[in-house]
Amino acid sequence: NAGVTQTPKFQVLKTGQSMTLQCAQDMNHEYMSWYRQDPGMGLRLIHYSVGAGITDQGEVPNGYNVSRSTTEDFPLRLLSAAPSQTSVYFCASSYDTNQPQHFGDGTRLSIL
Amino acid sequence: GENVEQHPSTLSVQEGDSAVIKCTYSDSASNYFPWYKQELGKGPQLIIDIRSNVGEKKDQRIAVTLNKTAKHFSLHITETQPEDSAVYFCAASKYDYKLSFGAGTTVTVRA
Repeated sequence: NAGVTQTPKFQVLKTGQSMTLQCAQDMNHEYMSWYRQDPGMGLRLIHYSVGAGITDQGEVPNGYNVSRSTTEDFPLRLLSAAPSQTSVYFCASSYDTNQPQHFGDGTRLSIL
Repeated sequence: GENVEQHPSTLSVQEGDSAVIKCTYSDSASNYFPWYKQELGKGPQLIIDIRSNVGEKKDQRIAVTLNKTAKHFSLHITETQPEDSAVYFCAASKYDYKLSFGAGTTVTVRA
């Protein structure tokens, strides 16, 4: 059981480039989410999904797209990277609402 | 939306002493309050959680208390050890999967 796996661990982009952050879980969890972590601000919810084919916006969705075609995978897309999106990104999953969320180890993204 | 405030932002304690972190929340409909520990370079890990129908919960050296009237909850760590050094986050949510996190507390346990 690998839990929640995020790739890549580190990435440097130039402004305007696009990329996809990958997230996969092997716990058959229905609920998955993406957070960004910035110094002094805790974690903020970007997008979340309550099952395959269903996604919704969190607190800070602008500049990010998601899709959920399978239970296991929940990729996060940056269409045109901006320096303000420099952050550490965490993916999490849980089997139901208000149940413990399991986090991956994050992707550290720098945008120049 | 929900607003969670966490204090203090840093906490230094002597090994063996207790550590207390306090959080307040704004939405009275919130009913789930987890605490996470984050070590350097890792993702947050759940250490304890409490629901609104419970006032206190304990797991070995860790306890959480909840005061729904005052809308605050606290994490208590007793007999602190060097491995307790980490960043701790409180969070709150209603029954909608959307967790709102506090800004975090960096705990340092001095040997």
